[in-house]
Amino acid sequence: EAGVAQSPRYKIIEKRQSVAFWCNPISGHATLYWYQQILGQGPKLLIQFQNNGVVDDSQLPKDRFSAERLKGVDSTLKIQPAKLEDSAVYLCASESQGASGANVLTFGAGSRLTVL
Amino acid sequence: QKEVEQNSGPLSVPEGAIASLNCTYSDRVSQSFFWYRQYSGKSPELIMSIYSNGDKEDGRFTAQLNKASQYVSLLIRDSQPSDSATYLCASLSAALTFGKGTMLLVSP
Repeated sequence: EAGVAQSPRYKIIEKRQSVAFWCNPISGHATLYWYQQILGQGPKLLIQFQNNGVVDDSQLPKDRFSAERLKGVDSTLKIQPAKLEDSAVYLCASESQGASGANVLTFGAGSRLTVL
Repeated sequence: QKEVEQNSGPLSVPEGAIASLNCTYSDRVSQSFFWYRQYSGKSPELIMSIYSNGDKEDGRFTAQLNKASQYVSLLIRDSQPSDSATYLCASLSAALTFGKGTMLLVSP
């Protein structure tokens, strides 16, 4: 089973520029998440999709962040304009049900953003 | 606000010892709890899940849950240097909420 694919792995931009991250979840996984992980902290949920619908985007800074999952498969996360405090790793995860029926998240390798 | 609290550490233990990692959560609605391991520069990987009060064992790992105290712990027996990583506790209600993680250092 292929894992969660993310790109780019690394991105360096200047503040006020824009950036986009792409995620391809594990085939058949209906639920997709974007998390932000700042150095030294745990992952923070930005947005949750179920197929192509948004389930939870309460912590997404909507003045600068946007995300979409138009066909219920791939997803993109965009930041425009970027701020210094957006420097973080952006983790995409997709969800399946484990053998015990529990929900299991599988994370991609992440996209590391540095804003100068 | 739903919160998951962990001591950031580092927790240092010698090889072969038992490492004990602790976590408290604020959302009483949470029914499922998870421990993820994250090596430096890598993404989190699931090592244990627990849903019922009591203990759950998987190899060298034992997760413990006490819903009345809103407390979750992870014991690692016979700790190995390869266990050195950050351990993230997470609770699930609508979505996973993570703690900041505890760094574990196992010295040879």
